[in-house]
Amino acid sequence: NAGVMQNPRHLVRRRGQEARLRCSPMKGHSHVYWYRQLPEEGLKFMVYLQKENIIDESGMPKERFSAEFPKEGPSILRIQQVVRGDSAAYFCASSPNRGRGELFFGEGSRLTVL
Amino acid sequence: DAKTTQPNSMESNEEEPVHLPCNHSTISGTDYIHWYRQLPSQGPEYVIHGLTSNVNNRMASLAIAEDRKSSTLILHRATLRDAAVYYCILRAAQGGSEKLVFGKGTKLTVNP
Repeated sequence: NAGVMQNPRHLVRRRGQEARLRCSPMKGHSHVYWYRQLPEEGLKFMVYLQKENIIDESGMPKERFSAEFPKEGPSILRIQQVVRGDSAAYFCASSPNRGRGELFFGEGSRLTVL
Repeated sequence: DAKTTQPNSMESNEEEPVHLPCNHSTISGTDYIHWYRQLPSQGPEYVIHGLTSNVNNRMASLAIAEDRKSSTLILHRATLRDAAVYYCILRAAQGGSEKLVFGKGTKLTVNP
């Protein structure tokens, strides 16, 4: 059973470009979480999605960031008009149930904004 | 979300036991105690979780105080691969936010 797959693992963008990060949860998992980790800092929750629904987006910046988890395909975290402060590692986690048990994390996508 | 308090860093020697403490004095009756760890340049990894009773798995043991206001993660024989940041997190079983709220954790250094 493959783990949580994130791609790309490394992404370089210039200021003002768009970044799209993809997350394929583990098979059978319908709950996805996105976290951001700035250099030398802890993980900050961004958004929690279930298939086709955003459940909790309390950690998402109000502008430029959006997330989706369509019925088919991976979850996408989209960052428009990136700025240098968006440079970070973005981690995705999945779980089979709501509110119980462990979260399974991917290896992360590392975004560098030049 | 309830808060946890952990030491910023700890050091251990290889093949010795390690006890990582966590205080959670504001824990509610339905909060589970979760531990995750993050190795350098990797995503977090689940270690163990429990509610009231002590728990054991292949990675570690979790000792929970009788009043549940503190817990201790026990690595029975530390290896160099156990060097990581260890996070103690409270997670509501129902009715609360499903997200995990990570604090600063404890950075464990394992000396050869």
